[in-house]
Amino acid sequence: EVQLLESGGGLVQPGGSLRLSCAASGFTFSNYAVTWARQAPGKGLEWVSSLSGSGGSTYYADSVKGRFTISRDNSKNTLFLQMSSLRAEDTALYYCARSPYCSNGICYTRYYFDFWGQGTLVTVSS
Amino acid sequence: QSALTQPASVSGSPGQSITISCTGTSSDVGGYTYVSWYQQNPGKAPKLIIYDVTKRPSGVSDRFSGSKSVNTASLTISGLQAEDEADYYCSSYTASSTWVFGGGTKLTVL
Repeated sequence: EVQLLESGGGLVQPGGSLRLSCAASGFTFSNYAVTWARQAPGKGLEWVSSLSGSGGSTYYADSVKGRFTISRDNSKNTLFLQMSSLRAEDTALYYCARSPYCSNGICYTRYYFDFWGQGTLVTVSS
Repeated sequence: QSALTQPASVSGSPGQSITISCTGTSSDVGGYTYVSWYQQNPGKAPKLIIYDVTKRPSGVSDRFSGSKSVNTASLTISGLQAEDEADYYCSSYTASSTWVFGGGTKLTVL
């Protein structure tokens, strides 16, 4: 069974830092690109950051650029999001998601997110 | 990057068809065949229902279909069922090598 399990969320003061994790299971993690998206309470989805299937390229929304860092550890089947200089507007449910990259030895970028985790809640407040 | 424009809400009766629009620009929706659609039920994770404008993942009902004209993508649900009541989001890859979502549309089945 495919699973993406986010953790690391919690209450943090403005200006603080937090590291989110997303543990993958049930599929070959290294064959997928990975993404973080978020959803503020009662609001819509917002794309945050993606890490290419090759692992060589990272992409960030302007709203988090310079403050958030995406990374992965394929040996541990885990995706990370290091968040710093947190602001009240970063308060949201943070989802990890995957995008197919390699299948049957053929690798190329896909531009959709075919499976999502259940999310971890980050609250930035004093 | 501004969010793609979706109607806040749409409604329909069981058995009817509804269409949800998703309007962007030539730098996102209009520039690529990389529009995807997601269904989100309350308290649940989003679920992919359409990718690459018109393609359906395995297991998704053929009552869901997608299309695109210039800068506007559309999701059509035919034979509306009570279980289709959910929030729907479009997404597009952009010329900035980023992704953008629509604001979301709440579908009510009357």
